[in-house]
Amino acid sequence: KAGVTQTPRYLIKTRGQQVTLSCSPISGHRSVSWYQQTPGQGLQFLFEYFSETQRNKGNFPGRFSGRQFSNSRSEMNVSTLELGDSALYLCASNPGTGPVYEQYFGPGTRLTVT
Amino acid sequence: AQSVTQLGSHVSVSEGALVLLRCNYSSSVPPYLFWYVQYPNQGLQLLLKYTTGATLVKGINGFEAEFKKSETSFHLTKPSAHMSDAAEYFCAVSSNSGYSTLTFGKGTMLLVSP
Repeated sequence: KAGVTQTPRYLIKTRGQQVTLSCSPISGHRSVSWYQQTPGQGLQFLFEYFSETQRNKGNFPGRFSGRQFSNSRSEMNVSTLELGDSALYLCASNPGTGPVYEQYFGPGTRLTVT
Repeated sequence: AQSVTQLGSHVSVSEGALVLLRCNYSSSVPPYLFWYVQYPNQGLQLLLKYTTGATLVKGINGFEAEFKKSETSFHLTKPSAHMSDAAEYFCAVSSNSGYSTLTFGKGTMLLVSP
């Protein structure tokens, strides 16, 4: 099975712009989660989508949003970019059902805001 | 609320020496515990996980971890370090609440010298 894929891998944006990141989960996985990784704050949970519905949300401002499509692919959007949004954004997928949720991570998208 | 504390942001060992990375967690419900490894410019790879049952868990690449409820610990060990083990290691906790959200520690960078 192909792993989790994320596009693009690298992105440079200017303060005030918006950006959309894409994630394709492992085939058959219905849950997609997004995490932000920065040197200062570490890995922080953004949100999780399951069957096109947001199932859980972390403590991030409303500028961060996401969605999931019927084929389980997910996008996250960040509007009005700030310098502090520079980070590695990781997507993770799992089957979404069952008692144990083992997350499979993609390689991430490195976002640099200038 | 759940939290994870990893003692030591950097750990240095010689090749062939014992690796010990410490992780303590806080959880109000029975936890699921994970160790992930991250190599430069890559996503997270699952090393091992504890859900229920045997408290000594074996993972990939010769790593193992022991769940100690009384100490709220889940330390990661490897008897003999290899140069290829140099990476950043993250301990994470999840609950069995039905959500797959992971709460991560700040990470420990493992440095292996020849």
